[in-house]
Amino acid sequence: DAGVTQSPTHLIKTRGQQVTLRCSPKSGHDTVSWYQQALGQGPQFIFQYYEEEERQRGNFPDRFSGHQFPNYSSELNVNALLLGDSALYLCASSQGSRGTQYFGPGTRLLVL
Amino acid sequence: AQRVTQPEKLLSVFKGAPVELKCNYSYSGSPELFWYVQYSRQRLQLLLRHISRESIKGFTADLNKGETSFHLKKPFAQEEDSAMYYCALVSGTYKYIFGTGTRLKVLA
Repeated sequence: DAGVTQSPTHLIKTRGQQVTLRCSPKSGHDTVSWYQQALGQGPQFIFQYYEEEERQRGNFPDRFSGHQFPNYSSELNVNALLLGDSALYLCASSQGSRGTQYFGPGTRLLVL
Repeated sequence: AQRVTQPEKLLSVFKGAPVELKCNYSYSGSPELFWYVQYSRQRLQLLLRHISRESIKGFTADLNKGETSFHLKKPFAQEEDSAMYYCALVSGTYKYIFGTGTRLKVLA
């Protein structure tokens, strides 16, 4: 089991563009959470998906949206990118909302 | 407001010295608290959670509800303990709140 995988590893976009990040959970996990980690900060919770629905959401604008597929993989979409969206985006999977979260390596997004 | 505070950005100790990484939280209710660790070039991983009350790699953490703290301790630091440590809280609605992290450097 490769654990949680994320793609791509790095991404460069310009302001106003849209981006899609992908996450495959650890085998046996059904819940995916997304985090944004700015430089020098801890991860900030964006939202969590379970049974293909957004269950919990942090303080992020509607520009941030997601999706979970029947195979439990997930996508994070960010529209109308801002310079401040530049960060490391982490995906974590777990068995249920209360399960131990296993993190992926992250996708580093740079918005120019 | 729910918040996790790690007051030290960097903590340097000598090998064999005791280590204490501070974590204070603000939460109205019974929190569930965790310590996560990130070694160089590795992904974030769970170190320990307070409900399991176990010791991992010699680290322990006790939840002090009176002082709203969950400090991470180890009696004798090892060089391989050098890493970034994050304290995290899970709310009743399962939102994770992380602190800003403390970088631990264990000097030879």
